[in-house]
Amino acid sequence: QVQLVESGGGVVQPGRSLRLSCAASGFTFTNFGMHWVRQAPGKGLECVAFIWYDGSNEYYADSVKGRFTISRDNSKNTLYLQMNSLRAEDTAVYYCARSPNGGNYLDFWGQGTLIAVSS
Amino acid sequence: EIVMTQSPATLSVSPGERATLSCRASQSVSGHLAWYQQKSGQAPRLLIYGSSTRATGIPARFSGSGSGTEFTLTISSLQSEDFAVYYCQQYNDWPPWTFGQGTKVEIK
Repeated sequence: QVQLVESGGGVVQPGRSLRLSCAASGFTFTNFGMHWVRQAPGKGLECVAFIWYDGSNEYYADSVKGRFTISRDNSKNTLYLQMNSLRAEDTAVYYCARSPNGGNYLDFWGQGTLIAVSS
Repeated sequence: EIVMTQSPATLSVSPGERATLSCRASQSVSGHLAWYQQKSGQAPRLLIYGSSTRATGIPARFSGSGSGTEFTLTISSLQSEDFAVYYCQQYNDWPPWTFGQGTKVEIK
């Protein structure tokens, strides 16, 4: 069955870095674009980064541009999000999600991992 | 950036009743509109894409309609498991992909 399993979350001080991973299984990873979507406590959904199926293009929300980097290793069926210069407002549950046919709707989501940025 | 606006913010419905949720785009998104359901403490789940196509495994009581800037999600007869927050999302003009702020469907 399709699975997306995020890891790497935790509590981190402002200004520090963290790397999230998303392990994919149960489907052909290279057929899908991949998103990172975050949800601050009690708030809505925000797409923060997207990477094309082959890693050839990346897109970032203005709120994270220059600080976050999305990448993927198709040989390991794994998606990453490198987060630098973390701020309190980056506190959220981070979900990875797949997107068929390029940048479309998000048809399957992982269970999420919580990042808390606090001193 | 396309702004998505959902209404109402909260909808109180009795089990078995019909629920109608609205989503408006600040400019046309054609039919490139998806709906998601999020239960408390869970990840979102895709319900509808292409404005009206149900995702795999989604019950027929969920239906979507609309095009351009006005969209509707209808739940024909609410079941206990349908009480959740629902989000619309446009994917016509990206980046960014944008979501509405959500409609909470609660038990009346």
